[in-house]
Amino acid sequence: DTEVTQTPKHLVMGMTNKKSLKCEQHMGHRAMYWYKQKAKKPPELMFVYSYEKLSINESVPSRFSPECPNSSLLNLHLHALQPEDSALYLCASSGIGYTFGSGTRLTVV
Amino acid sequence: GQQLNQSPQSMFIQEGEDVSMNCTSSSIFNTWLWYKQDPGEGPVLLIALYKAGELTSNGRLTAQFGITRKDSFLNISASIPSDVGIYFCAGLNYGGSQGNLIFGKGTKLSVKP
Repeated sequence: DTEVTQTPKHLVMGMTNKKSLKCEQHMGHRAMYWYKQKAKKPPELMFVYSYEKLSINESVPSRFSPECPNSSLLNLHLHALQPEDSALYLCASSGIGYTFGSGTRLTVV
Repeated sequence: GQQLNQSPQSMFIQEGEDVSMNCTSSSIFNTWLWYKQDPGEGPVLLIALYKAGELTSNGRLTAQFGITRKDSFLNISASIPSDVGIYFCAGLNYGGSQGNLIFGKGTKLSVKP
C-alpha cells in the first residue's frame, strides 16, 4: 500500500460547527504532516508529527487541533473556523518517499 | 527563511513540444522532489532526486539534481494534453524521521492539442 488516504473528500461547515479531517497511511512512515493549500499557491506546512509526537506547529491558530492516535492515523479537529480557513487540506507522510493524500476541500460558510 | 525560485510561472505549449522548468535556491538541499498537481487533488510525486548530479528519468520526464545542491530542473518530452497541471519543485532536508519540504511557487502548464 503506497497511498495516503484522506476523508472526507469535501466538507462544508458552519462557523459554529465542530468537524474532523482524517488521514491514514500504511507505508510504515513515522512522520506525518498537515498542509493547507489556497488556490494557485503551493502547500503551506501546518503541523508535523514524528513518531506520534507533535514536533512542529507552524503558528497555527488553536481552532485547528491535530491528533495522532497511532503511527498510521492523523486527525485534524476543526472548531469555530472562519471563512478564510476555506482551503484544500492535505495530509502527507514521509519515510522512504514523501507522499501526499488527495486532500479535503473545506468550505467554511 | 528558505525560498525556492521556480520558473517559468506558466507555459502554454503545443502538443508534442518539449518542456523545461527549473528551481533554484539560496540554500542547499539533500533531496529534490518534483510533483504534479491536478485541480482539487493532492500533489503526486513524479521524480525524487537524492544525490548531487543525479539524472533520473520516469517515462517522458527527466530531472536532474544540480551539482551545487541548490538547483534542479525537470524536462518533459513530447508533451500530451494530460500533462496539463501545476508542477511544483520541492527541496527537502531530512532531520531524523521527518523532512521539511520547501516548495517552489509552481509552473502552470497548458497544452494545446
